[in-house]
Amino acid sequence: DTAVSQTPKYLVTQMGNDKSIKCEQNLGHDTMYWYKQDSKKFLKIMFSYNNKELIINETVPNRFSPKSPDKAHLNLHINSLELGDSAVYFCASSQDGGTANYGYTFGSGTRLTVV
Amino acid sequence: SQELEQSPQSLIVQEGKNLTINCTSSKTLYGLYWYKQKYGEGLIFLMMLQKGGEEKSHEKITAKLDEKKQQSSLHITASQPSHAGIYLCGAGSSYNTDKLIFGTGTRLQVFP
Repeated sequence: DTAVSQTPKYLVTQMGNDKSIKCEQNLGHDTMYWYKQDSKKFLKIMFSYNNKELIINETVPNRFSPKSPDKAHLNLHINSLELGDSAVYFCASSQDGGTANYGYTFGSGTRLTVV
Repeated sequence: SQELEQSPQSLIVQEGKNLTINCTSSKTLYGLYWYKQKYGEGLIFLMMLQKGGEEKSHEKITAKLDEKKQQSSLHITASQPSHAGIYLCGAGSSYNTDKLIFGTGTRLQVFP
């Protein structure tokens, strides 16, 4: 069983479209995250949710809206897609208690290409 | 804000050679993690270090955290093509933060 699963794995879409990426974890973790990895492979946090509550929002454009219907799911909706949104988006989860004690478990990533 | 610098950015070695990747911060690291990423795949957890001076090994990979907890190294002994990928270090900026900051990554290629 996949611990953190993301769908879709690949997403190619035109500029201006709206798209969603879904993430689910079956680890019972309290916190979930979205990270963006750019073309230079730099991984940067976008959002984190703890028990459905937004904890971290790292200066991400309003076009990006995370939604957490329950603590096992964290979806990412992107409006009016732009070329610069092309990247690999990773979902991750961790046990409550902070990263000093627990690491993240990552999904396999969603490669988004905006054309 | 804390930054994690990794060196080298890219590394090409012949199979069988040893290599070291470094991860450096200007601030104390809380929970230092090493991950490996293969193309098109997610991040695979390798090791986590918490205490200054700590060292852990798994198969042919050894990771160390210095006494000041500001620098970590990842050493691979007798590298193999299966070791190829991108290695990322990550750390928390404080003890109880949920936010993991990642280094700039090191791309490793191992040729026969």
